[in-house]
Amino acid sequence: SAVISQKPSRDICQRGTSLTIQCQVDSQVTMMFWYRQQPGQSLTLIATANQGSEATYESGFVIDKFPISRPNLTFSTLTVSNMSPEDSSIYLCSVEEYNSFYGYTFGSGTRLTVV
Amino acid sequence: QQQVKQSPQSLIVQKGGISIINCAYENTAFDYFPWYQQFPGKGPALLIAIRPDVSEKKEGRFTISFNKSAKQFSLHIMDSQPGDSATYFCAASKPRQLTFGSGTQLTVLP
Repeated sequence: SAVISQKPSRDICQRGTSLTIQCQVDSQVTMMFWYRQQPGQSLTLIATANQGSEATYESGFVIDKFPISRPNLTFSTLTVSNMSPEDSSIYLCSVEEYNSFYGYTFGSGTRLTVV
Repeated sequence: QQQVKQSPQSLIVQKGGISIINCAYENTAFDYFPWYQQFPGKGPALLIAIRPDVSEKKEGRFTISFNKSAKQFSLHIMDSQPGDSATYFCAASKPRQLTFGSGTQLTVLP
């Protein structure tokens, strides 16, 4: 399966600032996803990022707050903008890949604390 | 709308015991049912998965039982070990959509 490198692994940020999270995949993938996992909670999909098109955001998430770039088939970034303490979460990158069937692989996540 | 319901929220099992986690789904379009294991500070890792054309899949100590008519599936961990202590998420998917359950925090006592 694909190997996903996510940077940074953790960060502590001041409220009102922005953080860009990078997701690098060791193979070309069509579909990349960004998730948020709040403390003790399940994973919630933020958006789906296809190369060459605008990201598709889930209900409750907007592009101004979570802009996403997908410049090629192996890389994506998620920016958390104008952060508040409520944005403190783990942010995870995921890819959909096909072998004999399809499946989903996750990066190790970025643990964000906003103070 | 929660499309995948998972229970229990937490589970404590003695070493050597059987851990059982249950999930139910609503959308009959789902065609892939993975289970993920997550340790603190790590991303979810695929543990085992099943497709709805089979009723059971076993990999080592981990078994998925699948009941298509009831729209339910479960994870059984045999001979549970302290190293199995983690959060387990069931999920249901179709292409381009992966929906998670709420998670089960498993603690295996030595």
